[in-house]
This record gives sequence, structure tokens and C-alpha cells, in this order.
Amino acid sequence: AQRVTQPEKLLSVFKGAPVELKCNYSYSGSPELFWYVQYSRQRLQLLLRHISRESIKGFTADLNKGETSFHLKKPFAQEEDSAMYYCALELTSGSRLTFGEGTQLTVNP
Amino acid sequence: DTAVSQTPKYLVTQMGNDKSIKCEQNLGHDTMYWYKQDSKKFLKIMFSYNNKELIINETVPNRFSPKSPDKAHLNLHINSLELGDSAVYFCASSLRSPSGANVLTFGAGSRLTVL
Repeated sequence: AQRVTQPEKLLSVFKGAPVELKCNYSYSGSPELFWYVQYSRQRLQLLLRHISRESIKGFTADLNKGETSFHLKKPFAQEEDSAMYYCALELTSGSRLTFGEGTQLTVNP
Repeated sequence: DTAVSQTPKYLVTQMGNDKSIKCEQNLGHDTMYWYKQDSKKFLKIMFSYNNKELIINETVPNRFSPKSPDKAHLNLHINSLELGDSAVYFCASSLRSPSGANVLTFGAGSRLTVL
């Protein structure tokens, strides 16, 4: 069965520091991977997806099939990046989206 | 103007009661979902409907019964509420994009507290 692991429940960095939120997955096929974000008092929303190869709000994520990882990175964290981040995996053959446990990022001034 | 709307936003009730949460989307999406977010913020899928047809039914007690009267609505009815049902329930919808990726749009969540 597919599984998504985010090893860090809490992550705290200072403003301007680089940040990396880790995500590992287990799935034998070709996955589609996403990062969703939930800012305080806001609804969960899509941040980025690996097939788009885009940078959103300065964040990027590269799919590494060898390491089965999809880590989210930003070179210079901002206070407004403080939020709950979820990595998610979708099987290419269906519509089930499996979420990781989430990482609460706090960016301190 | 809200894309995915859920009601009520907050629900406080006693153990043993029956309650419903409603969800509506105006995006023209063909698939709708219910997710449960527990106290540790873990998100778990409960149900998914595609064009009113149940396609995902996770290991959820049969006290939980989804109903989709049309593809724009997916309601969740819970019978005989238990303390462990306390959580935030998120509705979501999606339309498979041409690239194949299934991007979900979430509602604001319904916080259920069972006393």
C-alpha cells in the first residue's frame, strides 16, 4: 500500500534561513506528488505539484525516485511561511490522495 | 462566491446524538471527498464520490453515511456520535486536469466536538 512519511512534526527556523521540509513515500508505481499548505485560520490549499515543476512563493520540490523523496525547499524563509505543510501522493490509476502526517513550520523573526 | 462550502462550521453535541454536515461545491467538479483531521492534525480520507457514485470507502464505522444527491453536493451523516468522532471534517472536490493530476479544492472545515 502507498504511504507518505513526513518525519518532522515540528520545524522551526529563523527568518532568512533556508528551510527544507522532508517527505518520503513508498509506492511501487509512478506517483504524482503534491504539497498542500494550511495557513492559520485558512483552508487547506495546493502549494505545488511535481508535474508542474514550478516555484510557488519561493518554494520548490524535486521528485527523487531513487530516494523516493519529494522534499520541499525554500532558500530564504519568511514569517508568512509559517503554516502546516502536508505532502500528498496520488496513485496514477485512481483518485485517492494519501496525505503525510504534516509538518508545522514556524518561521521566527 | 465560495468554491467549496461546508455547514456548519462548528458543531457541539452530546454523545449518542445524530448529526449531519453538508457540503456544496460550485466549481463544476465531478469528484467530492470527506477527510477527517484528528487532534494531531493527521488527515485521513473517509469517502469519495464521483458523479454521485461511491468510489472510495475507507475503514470507517458504518455510523458514518455519506449521501450525494447530485455531483455538487456531498453530505455526511453521523449516527450515535462517540467521543472519538471529535475532529475537523474537511470536504473537498476535484476535477481531473488534462495532465492527469487530481488537484483538490478544500472547504474551510467543520469542527465537531462530542461531549
